Amino acid sequence: GAVVSQHPSWVICKSGTSVKIECRSLDFQATTMFWYRQFPKQSLMLMATSNEGSKATYEQGVEKDKFLINHASLTLSTLTVTSAHPEDSSFYICSATDRTHYNEQFFGPGTRLTVL
Amino acid sequence: AQKITQTQPGMFVQEKEAVTLDCTYDTSDQSYGLFWYKQPSSGEMIFLIYQGSYDEQNATEGRYSLNFQKARKSANLVISASQLGDSAMYFCAMREGLASGGSYIPTFGRGTSLIVHP
Repeated sequence: GAVVSQHPSWVICKSGTSVKIECRSLDFQATTMFWYRQFPKQSLMLMATSNEGSKATYEQGVEKDKFLINHASLTLSTLTVTSAHPEDSSFYICSATDRTHYNEQFFGPGTRLTVL
Repeated sequence: AQKITQTQPGMFVQEKEAVTLDCTYDTSDQSYGLFWYKQPSSGEMIFLIYQGSYDEQNATEGRYSLNFQKARKSANLVISASQLGDSAMYFCAMREGLASGGSYIPTFGRGTSLIVHP
């Protein structure tokens, strides 16, 4: 099956700093990538949908300037949490789809962000 | 209104027994897809099974089967012969619309925590 990686798997940062999370499709070209946020014992909350070469589409209530998403190539999307605060601490998961696997999203392993 | 409803926040099952995790959905589309994912404590989302709205047969993947009742709009996951490693969160999800080369956005339920007892 298709493989999606995320880096880093966990990160601890100080309040006010920015953190970049990478999502890569390793063996396929991801036409669309999704970014989710998950709080403990809760469901996945879609933050934004990212298509290669175009601006991300953010879900209602998600701050575009806070969560910068760049989908520069068919294999890489990045999420940058700018000026992170403790309330941004969460589990961030990306997923990707390609043209040949319409029925399935391939999930990355997730990134656990802790803001002190 | 929620598009995916999982009414069981937690379930317990004895090892080697079967367990059913409930999922109901709400859509006006004729073409849609239903998924089940497993999320162990490590956090990764593991795809388990998929059912298309036009599929007449219930999907099966090893010990997993999806009890698809279209008229009732339910897509329950049945795990046979539970194993200790099955302890995890289970999410039901739905994709609406045709997967015709464009992107789609699945909707996830709140999840069910399954604990398998020895």
